[in-house]
Amino acid sequence: EAGVAQSPRYKIIEKRQSVAFWCNPISGHATLYWYQQILGQGPKLLIQFQNNGVVDDSQLPKDRFSAERLKGVDSTLKIQPAKLEDSAVYLCASSSSPETQYFGPGTRLLVL
Amino acid sequence: AQKITQTQPGMFVQEKEAVTLDCTYDTSDPSYGLFWYKQPSSGEMIFLIYQGSYDQQNATEGRYSLNFQKARKSANLVISASQLGDSAMYFCAMRQRAGNMLTFGGGTRLMVKP
Repeated sequence: EAGVAQSPRYKIIEKRQSVAFWCNPISGHATLYWYQQILGQGPKLLIQFQNNGVVDDSQLPKDRFSAERLKGVDSTLKIQPAKLEDSAVYLCASSSSPETQYFGPGTRLLVL
Repeated sequence: AQKITQTQPGMFVQEKEAVTLDCTYDTSDPSYGLFWYKQPSSGEMIFLIYQGSYDQQNATEGRYSLNFQKARKSANLVISASQLGDSAMYFCAMRQRAGNMLTFGGGTRLMVKP
C-alpha cells in the first residue's frame, strides 16, 4: 500500500511570496490533516478534513493560510504572503480510523 | 484542554539495552488515544504504537511496548534491545474524542551508543 505522498520536499522562498504544498493521502483514507512543525517542536495541527469538508481549522492563520481538498482526495495548502516565522516542516497525514494516523515525508519550507 | 508533556529532552542508551521514554498527559475526556511516533533526521513521522484509553492490556509492537498507567496519566514508551537505528526524535501524542486530530508533546531525542 502506497503511503502519504507530499510535494515538493523542499522549498525556499522570500518573505511576502506565495507557496503551495500538495498532499495525496493513502487510498481510501477519508480524513486528512495538515500539521506545521517548527524546528525543535512537536507538530501542531493546522486543518483537518473529513472527505472534502473541513472538520477543524481553528489553528489555521486564515489571513495568510488556505487549504482545500477537492473531490475528497488530494489536498493543497497555500501560504500567501509568507512570513519568516512560517519556516517549518509541513506534514500531511491521513487516517481511516481513530487508532491510526499516517504521515507523509513532509515539505521543508525556508522563508528568507 | 489536552496537554502532552515529555520531560526528557534528550537521552542516551547503550546498544542492546532497554530504554523508557516518558510521557504524561492531561485530559478531561474519558475516551482518548495515545500514540508514539519516531522521527529520524530525514523528517518523516513513523507510527510506532497506539493505546486506547479503554484498552485493558498494554499495547506492544515488536520491540516497542507502551507502559500505560491510566490513574497516573502516563503512557511511557519502552524500547527493548536498542539498536543504532533507533537514534531519532520520539514524540508522544494524544487523540481527542471530539476529533481525530493529535496533540503532540515536545519530543525526546534518543541517542543509541555503540
